[in-house]
Amino acid sequence: DAGVIQSPRHEVTEMGQEVTLRCKPISGHDYLFWYRQTMMRGLELLIYFNNNVPIDDSGMPEDRFSAKMPNASFSTLKIQPSEPRDSAVYFCASSPVWGRHTEAFFGQGTRLTVV
Amino acid sequence: DAKTTQPTSMDCAEGRAANLPCNHSTISGNEYVYWYRQIHSQGPQYIIHGLKNNETNEMASLIITEDRKSSTLILPHATLRDTAVYYCIVSYGQNFVFGPGTRLSVLP
Repeated sequence: DAGVIQSPRHEVTEMGQEVTLRCKPISGHDYLFWYRQTMMRGLELLIYFNNNVPIDDSGMPEDRFSAKMPNASFSTLKIQPSEPRDSAVYFCASSPVWGRHTEAFFGQGTRLTVV
Repeated sequence: DAKTTQPTSMDCAEGRAANLPCNHSTISGNEYVYWYRQIHSQGPQYIIHGLKNNETNEMASLIITEDRKSSTLILPHATLRDTAVYYCIVSYGQNFVFGPGTRLSVLP
C-alpha cells in the first residue's frame, strides 16, 4: 500500500479564494483524521470520520472550514473563503478498526499558504 | 488539552541510548500511552504504544511505571536520523491530542 496520500503537497492561494485539500486513506482503514499544524498551536485535530461519517468536528475552527468523506477512499477539507491565518500544514491520517489500539498512519501533509 | 508533560528539548550523543520521559499523572485506566515522532517536514510517525506492561519493538522500548503516571521511551542506539520531535500521547482511541513534544537532537 502506498500509504495515506494527500494532494496537493503545496498550495498557494490568495485571500478569499476557496481551497480544497484532498486525502486518500489506506484501504481498509475505518477512521480518517484531519490535523492542522502551525508553529504557534502545534498539531491540532480538526475532525475525524468513522466509516465515512463525521464523528467529532469540534476542532474545526470556524464555519469557513468544512470536511467531507463521500466514500471510504476519499476525503476533502475545504476552506471558503481562505484567510492568511489559515496558512499551515494540513495532515490527513487513517487508522484501522477502533478498539485494536493500533497506529495511525499520517500522510506527508499539504503546506497551505494564503497570501 | 494534552494530558502529558514532556521536556521541551534533549540532546543525545550518536550511538548512545536516548531516554525520553513523559508524565501523565491523570491517565485513566483504559487509556494507552502512545509515542509518535515527527521528523522535519514529514507527517508524524508511530513508534510504539502500551497499556501497563513494558513494550519493545524494532524501533524502541517503552517503560511504563507501575502506577502508570509516567513512562520513558528508549531509543537504544540513537542515530542522526532519530533527530525529531517526539510526542507522548495518552488516548483510549485514535483521536490523538498532540502536545508540544520533546525535540531530540542526536549529536555526532
